[in-house]
Amino acid sequence: AQSVTQLGSHVSVSEGALVLLRCNYSSSVPPYLFWYVQYPNQGLQLLLKYTTGATLVKGINGFEAEFKKSETSFHLTKPSAHMSDAAEYFCAVTTLNNAGNMLTFGGGTRLMVKP
Amino acid sequence: NAGVMQNPRHLVRRRGQEARLRCSPMKGHSHVYWYRQLPEEGLKFMVYLQKENIIDESGMPKERFSAEFPKEGPSILRIQQVVRGDSAAYFCASSPADGIGTEAFFGQGTRLTVV
Repeated sequence: AQSVTQLGSHVSVSEGALVLLRCNYSSSVPPYLFWYVQYPNQGLQLLLKYTTGATLVKGINGFEAEFKKSETSFHLTKPSAHMSDAAEYFCAVTTLNNAGNMLTFGGGTRLMVKP
Repeated sequence: NAGVMQNPRHLVRRRGQEARLRCSPMKGHSHVYWYRQLPEEGLKFMVYLQKENIIDESGMPKERFSAEFPKEGPSILRIQQVVRGDSAAYFCASSPADGIGTEAFFGQGTRLTVV
């Protein structure tokens, strides 16, 4: 079984400031990690994913995340926040032990961007 | 190529009624996943289906909930005798294959309110 913990259910940053959303996972086998964004009353959109290879992953809208096995982390960052980044962000994990691509999600982090 | 289509977007049911949620996957996708999002929580996996087969239903409540993905037509999530605790957003995701890391595309969800 695997689990995901997102530290901080709400994060507030100023426009132009660094965005850091934390994600830690627990898995007994190699994980495959994802970040999704959800805008109000919308579905989830994939930001980026880590499967194998390079541990620094770049995604859409200027976001990136780094897989750190020793820290069991997959934190999401963006150098400069835009107002349009205000949304809810979900970290998720799956493994080869799961059927298909069944995802286990964290509780989500709501990002607020102040002008 | 239309995205994952869920309908209805909003559904209100009285306690004891039945709720039927529909999901049409993206064209060419034969794998469907249902997730439930309770208020202020992350998404929880419910069931994974391929055409005419339930592959993993480990997240489905044991009673009142059922899912199908027939050879023709959309996938259906059915909730019988709804209770207030069933109020949530139900998301469907589809993917073309079950390879690890294959992106699952999410619909906009059906928001069920039980009154």
